[in-house]
Amino acid sequence: QKEVEQNSGPLSVPEGAIASLNCTYSDRGSQSFFWYRQYSGKSPELIMFIYSNGDKEDGRFTAQLNKASQYVSLLIRDSQPSDSATYLCAVKGSGGSNYKLTFGKGTLLTVNP
Amino acid sequence: GAVVSQHPSRVICKSGTSVKIECRSLDFQATTMFWYRQFPKQSLMLMATSNEGSKATYEQGVEKDKFLINHASLTLSTLTVTSAHPEDSSFYICSASVSSYEQYFGPGTRLTVT
Repeated sequence: QKEVEQNSGPLSVPEGAIASLNCTYSDRGSQSFFWYRQYSGKSPELIMFIYSNGDKEDGRFTAQLNKASQYVSLLIRDSQPSDSATYLCAVKGSGGSNYKLTFGKGTLLTVNP
Repeated sequence: GAVVSQHPSRVICKSGTSVKIECRSLDFQATTMFWYRQFPKQSLMLMATSNEGSKATYEQGVEKDKFLINHASLTLSTLTVTSAHPEDSSFYICSASVSSYEQYFGPGTRLTVT
């Protein structure tokens, strides 16, 4: 069974701080990794994806991937109250049905003004 | 970015009736669409993968005769919950795949079965 694990939180950070969200996955053959943000009662929206080891930056967001450790993280710099949401880590696996994603349970982030 | 719509956004139905949910990709052609279900405080659970013109592939434990999926075109997929029961009440979300790297989600449909 392919699994994606996240700390459920809640993770609470003050406004302006760096929020660090972590995710581990069990399928060593996983190809691509995604971070989605989901506000309460809404559907997920894609923040960014990463498929190579190392860092990928997009504005205030940085995704980090370490395939050897089967670990992916998301850093949010200068956190804002509007960043308060549940962050879902998703992994695209190996094998058939290449587009299928497996989601973690999400980490609830609260940014305090 | 790619836009995916769902209709209706919210539906309340009586136990035993059927409900159809539409998922449309508005500005792109989606080779693959996905249907998810999300219960309160739980993550998204994939129900089925839908490819245009072919039968949907259902995940283990999802009844294909209860959750009917039709993917008639590259921009439209429908999910019909047949003979709905209160335990089917959930947030149903579709997504459409633009490429192997990106999947865009519709706004979701909240189903309540009374």
